[in-house]
Amino acid sequence: GIQVEQSPPDLILQEGANSTLRCNFSDSVNNLQWFHQNPWGQLINLFYIPSGTKQNGRLSATTVATERYSLLYISSSQTTDSGVYFCAVMRGGFKTIFGAGTRLFVKA
Amino acid sequence: AAGVIQSPRHLIKEKRETATLKCYPIPRHDTVYWYQQGPGQDPQFLISFYEKMQSDKGSIPDRFSAQQFSDYHSELNMSSLELGDSALYFCASSFSRRAYEQYFGPGTRLTVT
Repeated sequence: GIQVEQSPPDLILQEGANSTLRCNFSDSVNNLQWFHQNPWGQLINLFYIPSGTKQNGRLSATTVATERYSLLYISSSQTTDSGVYFCAVMRGGFKTIFGAGTRLFVKA
Repeated sequence: AAGVIQSPRHLIKEKRETATLKCYPIPRHDTVYWYQQGPGQDPQFLISFYEKMQSDKGSIPDRFSAQQFSDYHSELNMSSLELGDSALYFCASSFSRRAYEQYFGPGTRLTVT
């Protein structure tokens, strides 16, 4: 089956710093989403981005489908950005594969 | 805006008991997904339903079953519970005409003692 790899696995930032999270996938996909899981366990939609670039405030994402990767950019990080960031893909059908996540901690 | 509703939010059961988790998708959404997330792990896809029919199956134990009802709500039934079933169970929903973008509920935290 399709493999999804996220990097880095862990990231510690000082408040105000910028970061880039990466998601590589081993085969073509027709759906890709980024989620933020906050410390209370909620999974929050960030982007639905099977291809192209999107921006939402301090966050933006780019997926290059032909090269099988997606990037999530966080600018001017805040302590509330802490949590786990997951990339999830679908390749035909409804089965959804999550990456192992990037655990982000933003220090005040 | 309406979100995915899951009940109960917390559930404590003993080994070998049964549990039923419920999911109410966002209105007009026709697809429901169930996931299991163990401590420190990523969500694992269990099963999905599209228009009340099972559409895909993942790593769902034979002790678990699920269905989607005529009002589109879904239930995950878990029998002969084991300690290893302790996890956060998420339901998500999507609308097929919007390319299956999934929206997650708050989850049900199941503890098996």
